[in-house]
Amino acid sequence: DTEVTQTPKHLVMGMTNKKSLKCEQHMGHRAMYWYKQKAKKPPELMFVYSYEKLSINESVPSRFSPECPNSSLLNLHLHALQPEDSALYLCASSQDRVLGGNTIYFGEGSWLTVV
Amino acid sequence: SQQGEEDPQALSIQEGENATMNCSYKTSINNLQWYRQNSGRGLVHLILIRSNEREKHSGRLRVTLDTSKKSSSLLITASRAADTASYFCATLPTGTASKLTFGTGTRLQVTL
Repeated sequence: DTEVTQTPKHLVMGMTNKKSLKCEQHMGHRAMYWYKQKAKKPPELMFVYSYEKLSINESVPSRFSPECPNSSLLNLHLHALQPEDSALYLCASSQDRVLGGNTIYFGEGSWLTVV
Repeated sequence: SQQGEEDPQALSIQEGENATMNCSYKTSINNLQWYRQNSGRGLVHLILIRSNEREKHSGRLRVTLDTSKKSSSLLITASRAADTASYFCATLPTGTASKLTFGTGTRLQVTL
């Protein structure tokens, strides 16, 4: 089962709201990722978790707060977002953090619109 | 930051024709991967080629890698309408264990 599941598929939130994006995988992968993708642009790495610990934060604003409650789950907490944060947020996982030979599997993404 | 540039940005061909997409990157890499993305959907991994490999095949896909020119190409043979999607190369720069960095992408349109 090579599946990464993301919820919700679509989210509309106001600039003062607090919401969360959720991601789940049951492949036993120990590395999980959040990417952000704007329309007609490539995905950009935001965060990497390895063995449930944050290992990479690509200078993401603090209004985005990742959390890894266990090895299967990854959340992205959203607070006080701006309209320019509207994008497709992609979760991914791989067997471990070292991607030398590992495939990274992506979920279908969560479309976020900030109004 | 963006590591790869893809060429062409958009490609329109007829079903049955071959499609070739090129990717150039800037720094030395551990591996290069190609992904496909249908409009507004997640990315699907197609193929991974390591820095010590020159060519790899998977079904109708053929990938080449020239590390001296810092470039790669993806060839899709006998294209089908279902191949319509955006295709991204993604590189794993040397010394960055998990920072997979995507190129600009090629939008492929295959018409009947």
